[in-house]
Amino acid sequence: QKEVEQDPGPLSVPEGAIVSLNCTYSNSAFQYFMWYRQYSRKGPELLMYTYSSGNKEDGRFTAQVDKSSKYISLFIRDSQPSDSATYLCAMKRSMNTGFQKLVFGTGTRLLVSP
Amino acid sequence: GAGVSQSPSNKVTEKGKDVELRCDPISGHTALYWYRQSLGQGLEFLIYFQGNSAPDKSGLPSDRFSAERTGGSVSTLTIQRTQQEDSAVYLCASGTTNEKLFFGSGTQLSVL
Repeated sequence: QKEVEQDPGPLSVPEGAIVSLNCTYSNSAFQYFMWYRQYSRKGPELLMYTYSSGNKEDGRFTAQVDKSSKYISLFIRDSQPSDSATYLCAMKRSMNTGFQKLVFGTGTRLLVSP
Repeated sequence: GAGVSQSPSNKVTEKGKDVELRCDPISGHTALYWYRQSLGQGLEFLIYFQGNSAPDKSGLPSDRFSAERTGGSVSTLTIQRTQQEDSAVYLCASGTTNEKLFFGSGTQLSVL
């Protein structure tokens, strides 16, 4: 079993829909959670990062962490065709842990149709 | 520079040849990381540099893989005697703290 599981998709939604992207993880030591967006033929770009449990909002994006369930989510409101990309979750034990210890999900491909 | 720069963007090589992949990190970033991304796989850590030193090489898959960093800046990842299973996107990233990581666009390596 992988440490981080993520549905590869693709997830197809119409423009304006609310999108929910999710990851589950098995290591309860993970405390620092990130979401990256990766466009085709580009490197991952950090969207949001959160510490511990709870919600964090940034514009149309909301990151949610439920440590009791070992489940993290990224919500995208009013989705746009420009949101079409692969979304990668990633996590590590703490903010002070180096990125060599960062564990990535395989990514979910999102397609937003006009 | 404005971002992490990698070259070449694409590399096609024949099995058994050596290849060199280059990474130019964001100016001032002391930490530099190499990852590999294969189809259907998550990003796989290869090696980490702090300055010119590599405190963690644990992700290098075999002794055919090596990397160096000079002047605390540019890094080169070398793959000797390439195999078809080496085909992947090789991503470089840099940062100053453990809070944020900035990625380049990667080198798509195809071994025929």
